[in-house]
Amino acid sequence: GENVEQHPSTLSVQEGDSAVIKCTYSDSASNYFPWYKQELGKGPQLIIDIRSNVGEKKDQRIAVTLNKTAKHFSLHITETQPEDSAVYFCAASRDFSSGSARQLTFGSGTQLTVLP
Amino acid sequence: DVKVTQSSRYLVKRTGEKVFLECVQDMDHENMFWYRQDPGLGLRLIYFSYDVKMKEKGDIPEGYSVSREKKERFSLILESASTNQTSMYLCASSKTGKYYEQYFGPGTRLTVT
Repeated sequence: GENVEQHPSTLSVQEGDSAVIKCTYSDSASNYFPWYKQELGKGPQLIIDIRSNVGEKKDQRIAVTLNKTAKHFSLHITETQPEDSAVYFCAASRDFSSGSARQLTFGSGTQLTVLP
Repeated sequence: DVKVTQSSRYLVKRTGEKVFLECVQDMDHENMFWYRQDPGLGLRLIYFSYDVKMKEKGDIPEGYSVSREKKERFSLILESASTNQTSMYLCASSKTGKYYEQYFGPGTRLTVT
């Protein structure tokens, strides 16, 4: 099955700096890569995703890049703010276009702390 | 507003007890999922369901069972709780066709003593 590795496990940055979280996956058939943000006391929430036919996607201060050849993808947060402090999870999946349920395989998570 | 609720935020049970964790979603989603979250291991899928009375094993189904009698409700059952099942349990739901966009509940912190 799919295996997703995520680094680093913890990351501290100064407010205003950029943060980068990296993930690698093992299954070359995976074609969908979402990122979830989990704030303290809450469940994870989808913040951005990318599909295998796209190399980069941006949404305001966050962006995700994908390198299918190397089987890795990254989350980039620019101009970090204290409210960006949370645990971030990457995930990978295949056959997202199917109508039936499919599994997401999650990475181990990154605790991001933005220091004021 | 999308909502997934879980019956308890914190639960303490004794070894050998039967434990029920309940999850309810109000979005008319077809798919529902149970994960456990442990430090350094991320989210691991226990079971999922894509329709009423349908279930499929995830990556770590051993020691767990599930029930889905109604579309909005998905229950996780620990037949005989053990200390290694102490964990955070997260329920999620998604719509068929957008299974990847999962909406999570706040989680239940289960401690088995």
